Amino acid sequence: GAGVSQSPSNKVTEKGKDVELRCDPISGHTALYWYRQRLGQGLEFLIYFQGNSAPDKSGLPSDRFSAERTGESVSTLTIQRTQQEDSAVYLCASSLVPGSAEAFFGQGTRLTVV
Amino acid sequence: GESVGLHLPTLSVQEGDNSIINCAYSNSASDYFIWYKQESGKGPQFIIDIRSNMDKRQGQRVTVLLNKTVKHLSLQIAATQPGDSAVYFCAETSNAGGTSYGKLTFGQGTILTVHP
Repeated sequence: GAGVSQSPSNKVTEKGKDVELRCDPISGHTALYWYRQRLGQGLEFLIYFQGNSAPDKSGLPSDRFSAERTGESVSTLTIQRTQQEDSAVYLCASSLVPGSAEAFFGQGTRLTVV
Repeated sequence: GESVGLHLPTLSVQEGDNSIINCAYSNSASDYFIWYKQESGKGPQFIIDIRSNMDKRQGQRVTVLLNKTVKHLSLQIAATQPGDSAVYFCAETSNAGGTSYGKLTFGQGTILTVHP
């Protein structure tokens, strides 16, 4: 596709269940970011993948959160044993680096933990 | 324009007015700055960027000003239109002297409401 694609667009899950969120970046973009956005708040950095380098995981809030990326393609963000405070919109972005930090965002996945 | 606590600052203007949205950044090593616009239910959308070797950059109806001395960034929107209503975020990053950029760090955002 032409843009960053995320799935599902909405996810409702029960507290304690695991969820997996998917991001398809723009083809050829070597950098991929995951952010979390709680209602009415700014974007909170979670994790950053850059090519074959070790990912920057400094924003992951707990060991219940993990993410993977295969090469320069799809990434999945996994949240284990979900808690109500995990409810948020999870945004994925990709950028063409080196040379540009302009990141293109997907529509996000709205996660609701009940 | 700076946010405190959990609530985003707001700016209300009349259609046709000029808008100024402010952002304070924290990392003196940041050398690349971007403004994003986020409409309800959508992901952030790139508006304009500026590198640290510049203090002003103009786009179509938008101007970004950078003051590195006080680590302040502003976005000026000329002749604001109702379609400009959105949340505006600044973001900063650094290539740390290398060839690629690291993570984007976002400010808290400002809600702009344009009244017809």
